[in-house]
Amino acid sequence: GAGVSQSPRYKVAKRGQDVALRCDPISGHVSLFWYQQALGQGPEFLTYFQNEAQLDKSGLPSDRFFAERPEGSVSTLKIQRTQQEDSAVYLCASSFGVGGAGYGYTFGSGTRLTVV
Amino acid sequence: QQQVKQSPQSLIVQKGGISIINCAYENTAFDYFPWYQQFPGKGPALLIAIRPDVSEKKEGRFTISFNKSAKQFSLHIMDSQPGDSATYFCAASGAWDSGGGADGLTFGKGTHLIIQP
Repeated sequence: GAGVSQSPRYKVAKRGQDVALRCDPISGHVSLFWYQQALGQGPEFLTYFQNEAQLDKSGLPSDRFFAERPEGSVSTLKIQRTQQEDSAVYLCASSFGVGGAGYGYTFGSGTRLTVV
Repeated sequence: QQQVKQSPQSLIVQKGGISIINCAYENTAFDYFPWYQQFPGKGPALLIAIRPDVSEKKEGRFTISFNKSAKQFSLHIMDSQPGDSATYFCAASGAWDSGGGADGLTFGKGTHLIIQP
């Protein structure tokens, strides 16, 4: 596709429920990033993939958060036993370059997760 | 510790005026400084970016000014238009060619800009 596609656009989860958020990056983009954006805040880095390898997961807030990109294209961010503090917009970004942000990211429109 | 500080939080400018948003960073390893524009319900979109080897970069009505010694950079929007009303984020990251490192962007908290007609 022409852009980064994320689904679902909106997700309401009951506290304790597991959720899975999907990201379809731009075809051929090597790098894929997940960010978390709380209401009224800037995005915060969660994790980075280069093809299928997860090279940096230092931003994942707890072991309830898990991300994968098994074939180097589509990525899934999974949150287990959701808590209210997980409520945020989860953004995916991709880039054709390796690593450095200087190649420019393209962000998706995000998934808004609300935990009730 | 907030590594990129952005101000003001909100800004109202008359149509045709100049909008100025400021950012300061702490990590001297940062060497790429982009500005992103975000509309409600959308992801951030890259507006303009600068590297520290230049002090200014201009693209159309948008200009970044960069002061390496002060560790500050700013976005100037000339002839501001109602369509420029959005949230603007400054950001910073490390190496351009990181050789496989992640170098995720560190964002400021954003400036909500309103251009009044």
